[in-house]
Amino acid sequence: QKEVEQDPGPLSVPEGAIVSLNCTYSNSAFQYFMWYRQYSRKGPELLMYTYSSGNKEDGRFTAQVDKSSKYISLFIRDSQPSDSATYLCAMSEGSNYKLTFGKGTLLTVNP
Amino acid sequence: EPEVTQTPSHQVTQMGQEVILRCVPISNHLYFYWYRQILGQKVEFLVSFYNNEISEKSEIFDDQFSVERPDGSNFTLKIRSTKLEDSAMYFCASKGIAKNIQYFGAGTRLSVL
Repeated sequence: QKEVEQDPGPLSVPEGAIVSLNCTYSNSAFQYFMWYRQYSRKGPELLMYTYSSGNKEDGRFTAQVDKSSKYISLFIRDSQPSDSATYLCAMSEGSNYKLTFGKGTLLTVNP
Repeated sequence: EPEVTQTPSHQVTQMGQEVILRCVPISNHLYFYWYRQILGQKVEFLVSFYNNEISEKSEIFDDQFSVERPDGSNFTLKIRSTKLEDSAMYFCASKGIAKNIQYFGAGTRLSVL
């Protein structure tokens, strides 16, 4: 079983839709959970960072972590064409905090 | 806003040649990382560096790879004898002490011919 699984999509939605992106993981030692956004041929850009189960909201973005189910989600409300990108989930344990990434979900928001 | 900068943005090299990829981490950060992303695949951890030494490395980071912090600002990744399969985007990241958040550079695209 892969450490982090993420549906690669692609996912295509109309402008204004609510988007739900998900990852599952197998390593119960993961403590820190992140969502990065990556535009084509660019570096990952941090969107959300959480370390506990529950929800964290930042503007149109909500990150959700369920450690008991080993499942994390990112919700995007009122999606915009500028949200079109690849969304990467990433996780780390303690110590040196190396990140383990999902494969990324390619999202297109159509005007 | 402080950022991680990487040079060059694109490096083309012949198989068997040595390449050095350069990174300037965010100035007060103490943890440094290299990751790579082969086209169409996930971002993979290569190596982490703290307190002037490697703290962890992946199976990918074999004897052909080395990292160095030659001065107070640069962090480099050297590939001694490049192979075709080294073609990828290489990302540098850095992290401060207070938060477990890694900030990534824009990457260097390495093309090995």
